[in-house]
Formats: sequence, structure tokens, C-alpha cells
Amino acid sequence: QPVLTQSSSASASLGSSVNLTCTLSSGHRSYMIAWHQQQPGKAPRSLMKLEGSGRYNKGSGVPDRFSGSSSGPDRYLTISNLQSEDEADYYCETWDSISWVFGGGTKLTVL
Amino acid sequence: QVQLQESGPGLVKPSETLSLTCAVSGYSISSGYYWGWIRQPPGKGLEWIGSIYHSGSTYYNPSLKSQFTISIDTSKNHFSLKLSSVTAADTAVYYCARQSTADGVDNWGQGTLVTVSS
Repeated sequence: QPVLTQSSSASASLGSSVNLTCTLSSGHRSYMIAWHQQQPGKAPRSLMKLEGSGRYNKGSGVPDRFSGSSSGPDRYLTISNLQSEDEADYYCETWDSISWVFGGGTKLTVL
Repeated sequence: QVQLQESGPGLVKPSETLSLTCAVSGYSISSGYYWGWIRQPPGKGLEWIGSIYHSGSTYYNPSLKSQFTISIDTSKNHFSLKLSSVTAADTAVYYCARQSTADGVDNWGQGTLVTVSS
């Protein structure tokens, strides 16, 4: 079963850009992942699916400021022109044929 | 537009059985997808509990004790979670979700807080 590793916290200034990283465990570096955003007190929201090739597919209504990329076992979520509403927890998720797993989440603070 | 809505008791006593239901609208659950349960203890991250395929096959998180049972009722377009012998460690927000092995979770319910306390 794959394991996803995320930094516990990140911070960046309003209007700047930030990269959040999700790392796949050994033996699973080609896996596709999904990124989810959870604003304070709310349910998670699906942002995008991200392939190992770096190709990504965003959900309906996800702003253009959100993009994804990949390098080896690392999957990135880039948020450009940070807004105050981007302050949230971000989780990555992956799956195989019979199970799903989430990373521990990154708490993003917008300064 | 697919919508999922959890329902169930907000308070359960230790050692009792927790039952939650997820009503799905905007999509017929018999048409496809996996339908899953995910929980989030207060202040902690997301944990996949298990999922049921539209055909009725079930899959559970091997890291969790086998106290969970997921079932599906296509006639009512809903699916359910039962957790037996609850303890305080089962206190969490429980989310239902639509999942696939192509996209992961693509739709979330709003979540329901379940507190285990006497």
C-alpha cells in the first residue's frame, strides 16, 4: 500500500506563490494522486487529479491560480497570486485497485 | 450535480454501534463508482475507512480494526456505515464520498460530527 508524505506546514505572503509537496513511497513513484483543499471548518473540496507525467485535470470551479506538476515521486501543488481564502489544509490522496490513502496534510498560512 | 449528505446521531455511548447513512442525489449509485467513508478526528488528518462498489463489493482500510461494515441500498440511492463497539477514539467528523480508481475522491459530503461519550 502506498504512503504519502507531506510537510506539516507552509507559509507564504499574500499575492506570492507557494509550492506544496506530496511524496510517494518507494515502489509507488508512478502513481497518480489527487489534491484536496479543506478550508477551516469546512468539508474537503477536490482540486485536481495529477499524473506522474505532470499532466493534471482540475475540478469544476477551481481557479486558474492552482496548478500541478510532478518530478519522480514528488507531486506538487502550486498556488499563484495567493489569496486570503487559500489559507487552508491541503491533502494529497492516492489509490490502488482496492484501497485509498491520504497524506497527513499541509497547513498553509497566508501572511 | 452530484450531492452527498450524511445523517446519523451526533452522540453515541461507548461500546454501542454507530450507524451513518449517506444519501446521494444527482447520480444513481447503481450506475458506477465506489462510495466511501472517510473520517477526521478533531484536529487531525483524513483517514479512509472503506468503500463499496456499486455492485456491492466492499473494501476496508487494513490498518483499522474490523469493526466497520459498509452496505449499499440502490433502491434508496444511499449507502451506510456501521461501526460496532465504539470508543472515544472513534470521535470524528465522518465524510461520505464518491470515489474512483481513475480520479480518487471527486465529490465529498459536508460531514457529520460523531462524539463518543457516556
